[in-house]
Amino acid sequence: AQSVSQHNHHVILSEAASLELGCNYSYGGTVNLFWYVQYPGQHLQLLLKYFSGDPLVKGIKGFEAEFIKSKFSFNLRKPSVQWSDTAEYFCAVNANYGGSQGNLIFGKGTKLSVKP
Amino acid sequence: DAGVTQSPTHLIKTRGQHVTLRCSPISGHKSVSWYQQVLGQGPQFIFQYYEKEERGRGNFPDRFSARQFPNYSSELNVNALLLGDSALYLCASSFRGTNQPQHFGDGTRLSIL
Repeated sequence: AQSVSQHNHHVILSEAASLELGCNYSYGGTVNLFWYVQYPGQHLQLLLKYFSGDPLVKGIKGFEAEFIKSKFSFNLRKPSVQWSDTAEYFCAVNANYGGSQGNLIFGKGTKLSVKP
Repeated sequence: DAGVTQSPTHLIKTRGQHVTLRCSPISGHKSVSWYQQVLGQGPQFIFQYYEKEERGRGNFPDRFSARQFPNYSSELNVNALLLGDSALYLCASSFRGTNQPQHFGDGTRLSIL
């Protein structure tokens, strides 16, 4: 079965530190990849997505992610975090298989706490 | 623009009861998906409907059912509620079912006593 692994459960950083959140998926076929963010008290919001093309994708608020097919990875990065980035981050995969459209498979999420 | 709206916001039920959760997609979106998010976990896919037909089903028992109406709104029904059904139920919509990012609502928090 397809699965998504997020390596870190809780990450604590100081403002201006660099961020990298790991995400690996298990599926050998064509996938679409997403990062969603959930700020405290808010709904899930799309941060960025990868469908095809340039494996380095840029999202909102200075986030970017790199798709490395050989490693089945889609890590999220930000050069300098801000206190307002405190949130929970979810990696998700949409796998099309067997002629039917798949649906989003989420990782367990990574809580990011940024200290001012 | 109105986002995905879900009702009710919170719901408390007892074991054995049934519940109906409602979702209105973003205007123009024809695909609605339902997810269950248990505390400390990522959302888990339950159903997808597109153009009023079921297009996908996750690994949930038959107590869970859903439907989509001609105006593309959707209902999720859960019968014979169990304590383990306590969770946040999320609805997401997209313009089409495939290769489209999904937009999520705030969810319905269901508590089973």
